[in-house]
Amino acid sequence: KAGVTQTPRYLIKTRGQQVTLSCSPISGHRSVSWYQQTPGQGLQFLFEYFSETQRNKGNFPGRFSGRQFSNSRSEMNVSTLELGDSALYLCASSLGPDGELFFGEGSRLTVL
Amino acid sequence: DAKTTQPTSMDCAEGRAANLPCNHSTISGNEYVYWYRQIHSQGPQYIIHGLKNNETNEMASLIITEDRKSSTLILPHATLRDTAVYYCIVRVAYSGTASKLTFGTGTRLQVTL
Repeated sequence: KAGVTQTPRYLIKTRGQQVTLSCSPISGHRSVSWYQQTPGQGLQFLFEYFSETQRNKGNFPGRFSGRQFSNSRSEMNVSTLELGDSALYLCASSLGPDGELFFGEGSRLTVL
Repeated sequence: DAKTTQPTSMDCAEGRAANLPCNHSTISGNEYVYWYRQIHSQGPQYIIHGLKNNETNEMASLIITEDRKSSTLILPHATLRDTAVYYCIVRVAYSGTASKLTFGTGTRLQVTL
């Protein structure tokens, strides 16, 4: 059974640009969550989607957004990138909102 | 969700049991204790969870004290591949916000030869 797939795995952007990250959940999983991991702040919850609807949102500025498609695949977007957005962005999927989370390998974003 | 306290780091010899403690003195009656681990440069991996009874699976055992204010994750025969950061998380399950995990700083377990 394939795990959670995140693309791209690595990317470099410059300040002011925008970025879109993609997450394909485990087959049959309908809930997708996004986390940001930085050395200073650790793992922080960004948002969660279930059945194409955002159910929960963390404490991040509006530059961070996401969406979920009918096939449960999810994307997150960060606009007007700042140096502090450099991080490992992790996606997790679960069968439903209360299921165990299965994480992907992450997308490592570097903002120059 | 209740806050957890874990030691910053621990060492364990390969083949020995690794006992990772976690304090969660403010845990509520409907909060579960979850353990995840993160091996370097990988996403966190679910290990085990429990409410008040001790739990065991193929990866580990979870011992929760009777007052539920603390717990211990036990890796019975640690190997070098168990070297990772271990996170103890308390969360309310079946609430619709279960995916919103609050990760602390975790315990960095170093397994040595």
